[in-house]
Amino acid sequence: DAGVTQSPTHLIKTRGQQVTLRCSPKSGHDTVSWYQQALGQGPQFIFQYYEEEERQRGNFPDRFSGHQFPNYSSELNVNALLLGDSALYLCASSLAASGTYNEQFFGPGTRLTVL
Amino acid sequence: GQQVMQIPQYQHVQEGEDFTTYCNSSTTLSNIQWYKQRPGGHPVFLIQLVKSGEVKKQKRLTFQFGEAKKNSSLHITATQTTDVGTYFCAKGGGFKTIFGAGTRLFVKA
Repeated sequence: DAGVTQSPTHLIKTRGQQVTLRCSPKSGHDTVSWYQQALGQGPQFIFQYYEEEERQRGNFPDRFSGHQFPNYSSELNVNALLLGDSALYLCASSLAASGTYNEQFFGPGTRLTVL
Repeated sequence: GQQVMQIPQYQHVQEGEDFTTYCNSSTTLSNIQWYKQRPGGHPVFLIQLVKSGEVKKQKRLTFQFGEAKKNSSLHITATQTTDVGTYFCAKGGGFKTIFGAGTRLFVKA
């Protein structure tokens, strides 16, 4: 039973560039959430995707966008990168049918460095 | 900013000592979750508490949800070096999960 996978593991970009991060949820899960975790901080919610739609968004600018595919995998896109976007980007999957029991399974993350 | 406050920020203990981290909210919580993140790793779900006054145990870990559902605690009895990491509480609201800043636990053998 595959867990949550993310790619790439590490990425180095320069300011102004664009980046795409990828996530495959745990087998059987249909919901994907993305988080940004700066060093020494807790994960910050970016958005959640379910049925290929963004159904809730955190306090992140429109430079952050996403997509969910029919196979439930997801992408996070960040445009016009800023130095402050350097962080660990975590994907978490869950099962919508579990209702208010919100056990999320996190992937290993993508470490993004913006120079 | 964070909507759940965690204290302390850091805790150094000798192996075998107990450890407690606290999570507080200014508003009533529908639920509280706890996660553990090992150094260099990713958060791992430990438990979710829903009921007022709820207490749950997992081996040496004891989780409590306050009567007013505005605070929670995680207590580890007789810490081991394998307990090292950052413990986060997180509140659920709609489809969004809000994490606290975490308490980082250091255990000296």
